[in-house]
Amino acid sequence: AQSVAQPEDQVNVAEGNPLTVKCTYSVSGNPYLFWYVQYPNRGLQFLLKYITGDNLVKGSYGFEAEFNKSQTSFHLKKPSALVSDSALYFCAVRDRNSGYALNFGKGTSLLVTP
Amino acid sequence: SAVISQKPSRDICQRGTSLTIQCQVDSQVTMMFWYRQQPGQSLTLIATANQGSEATYESGFVIDKFPISRPNLTFSTLTVSNMSPEDSSIYLCSVEQSGANVLTFGAGSRLTVL
Repeated sequence: AQSVAQPEDQVNVAEGNPLTVKCTYSVSGNPYLFWYVQYPNRGLQFLLKYITGDNLVKGSYGFEAEFNKSQTSFHLKKPSALVSDSALYFCAVRDRNSGYALNFGKGTSLLVTP
Repeated sequence: SAVISQKPSRDICQRGTSLTIQCQVDSQVTMMFWYRQQPGQSLTLIATANQGSEATYESGFVIDKFPISRPNLTFSTLTVSNMSPEDSSIYLCSVEQSGANVLTFGAGSRLTVL
């Protein structure tokens, strides 16, 4: 089965510093990988995806992620964090057995302090 | 991207009752997905609902507990039957953006069962 793991429950970073939210994956074949963000009391918002092509994927709100096949990782990054980036971040992989449905990691809570 | 409206946005329900959640999309979509997010947890796929066919349920979810309707290409309902406090969750509807390999999510329906 396709799955992703997010090893950190929470990441704390000071505003202006770079941030990384980690994700590793386990899939058979080529992975379709995604990052979503969930703000309090709101639905999930799509940030970026990796399907094929460049390993560095750029997405919304200045976020980017690097696909690393040898390390089976897809870490989310941002060069300079904002307080408004504080939210819950989910890594996800498309499950081939469920069509276009996604399997989500457990989520990582990002806290950016002023 | 598709705009998804879910009703109700939140509700407080009594044990043993049933509640139907509606999902309306502003464009025609083939695939719709229902997810559950239990408190402090990640998202779990309940079922995939394609128009004109029976919903496909994931392991651990059954039609008697979570009956789904998909009468047309823009609408679906999920019923949570004979509710217990363990059913207290956010239920999210999502659709696949045709050709984009991206799932768009509704804002969710937060159910609390007393």
